[in-house]
Amino acid sequence: RKEVEQDPGPFNVPEGATVAFNCTYSNSASQSFFWYRQDCRKEPKLLMSVYSSGNEDGRFTAQLNRASQYISLLIRDSKLSDSATYLCVAFGGNYGQNFVFGPGTRLSVLP
Amino acid sequence: DVKVTQSSRYLVKRTGEKVFLECVQDMDHENMFWYRQDPGLGLRLIYFSYDVKMKEKGDIPEGYSVSREKKERFSLILESASTNQTSMYLCASSSDRNYGYTFGSGTRLTVV
Repeated sequence: RKEVEQDPGPFNVPEGATVAFNCTYSNSASQSFFWYRQDCRKEPKLLMSVYSSGNEDGRFTAQLNRASQYISLLIRDSKLSDSATYLCVAFGGNYGQNFVFGPGTRLSVLP
Repeated sequence: DVKVTQSSRYLVKRTGEKVFLECVQDMDHENMFWYRQDPGLGLRLIYFSYDVKMKEKGDIPEGYSVSREKKERFSLILESASTNQTSMYLCASSSDRNYGYTFGSGTRLTVV
């Protein structure tokens, strides 16, 4: 079983739609969680951290459910510029201090 | 802003060549990492380092080595490049588990 799993998509949504991505992690000892965004042929960039209490940044909301080992990202009022791959990340992999990346979920926002 | 700089954006090398990929960060981070990213396989950890002169193997270290002689610099070495090492190589650094990684812009290596 992979340490961090995501639905690879693609998710094709119209502009203005609300879209949700889910992610599960297998290591119950994982301590920190993040969402990264990666544009085509570019490096991943930190989008936001994920806290148990939830974290909102504009149109983006991230949630963590430790009991279910589940992380989510909600994007409201999707923009064309949101088209990218979204990577779910957990801290505390096999080597203790590294981050483990999910395979990514591809989002295409259509006009 | 933390800056992580990778020496080359695109690189073409011949099979059997020794290849050096350089990574420099400017924020005094202890932790540095090398990943490769391939379609359908995601990001895979090659090597990492938590301090100068220190290195640890990741998930796929075979065919690679690393060097960390100075805190700000972490080099990935392909001892004898092979075509299956054609990939996007990403360097990252971090200071603390609460702040995530900062990545370099990547080196797209093609081995012919």
